[in-house]
Amino acid sequence: EVQLVESGGGLVQPGGSLRLSCSASGFTFSNYAMYWVRQAPGKGLEYVSAISTNGGSTYYTDSVKGRFTISRDNSKNTVYLQMSGLRGEDTAVYYCVKVKSVYQLLYSDMDVWGQGTTVTVSS
Amino acid sequence: DIQMTQSPSSVAASVGDRVTITCRASQDITSWLAWYQQKPGKAPKLLIYTASSLQSGVPSRFSGSGSGTDFTLTISSLQPEDFATYYCQQANSFPLTFGGGTKVEI
Repeated sequence: EVQLVESGGGLVQPGGSLRLSCSASGFTFSNYAMYWVRQAPGKGLEYVSAISTNGGSTYYTDSVKGRFTISRDNSKNTVYLQMSGLRGEDTAVYYCVKVKSVYQLLYSDMDVWGQGTTVTVSS
Repeated sequence: DIQMTQSPSSVAASVGDRVTITCRASQDITSWLAWYQQKPGKAPKLLIYTASSLQSGVPSRFSGSGSGTDFTLTISSLQPEDFATYYCQQANSFPLTFGGGTKVEI
């Protein structure tokens, strides 16, 4: 069974840091690009970041550039999101997402989602 | 950035109704559009990819159409399990963007 399991969420003070992890199983992880997507309480979906199969290409939404870093370890079937300089508006459920098409970073859809991990930024 | 505009933002419907949701992109995205269903407290689920292809395991009452800037998701006969929020998403360019969502209510 294809599965994504996120961890690392929690309560953090403004300006703090947090690292999210996403452990993948049931598919050849190194063949698929991965995304992070978030959803603030009561709001819609927002793309956060993307990483290519080998980690050589990364993309971010403007609001997190310079503060968040996406990375992956294909030997551990894990993708990470290092978050620093956290703000109240970063409060959300963060989903790890698998891209549908093999080797594609773009021109593909999100076919497998994790259950999400909650990040709350508050003093 | 490509803006995705969904309408309506909510729709009240009954079991058996035909429901149509539209999504408009601010620029040409050819067929790089997906539709997702999300139920409260759950992760989104892929329904339709490349505008009109049905994801494996998704009931055939769901269909997608359109290309360029205008797209449609149709539920041909609404079932009780279809009451949820639906999102469109463009996969043409970064940053990826989602529509604001359409809540299908009883």
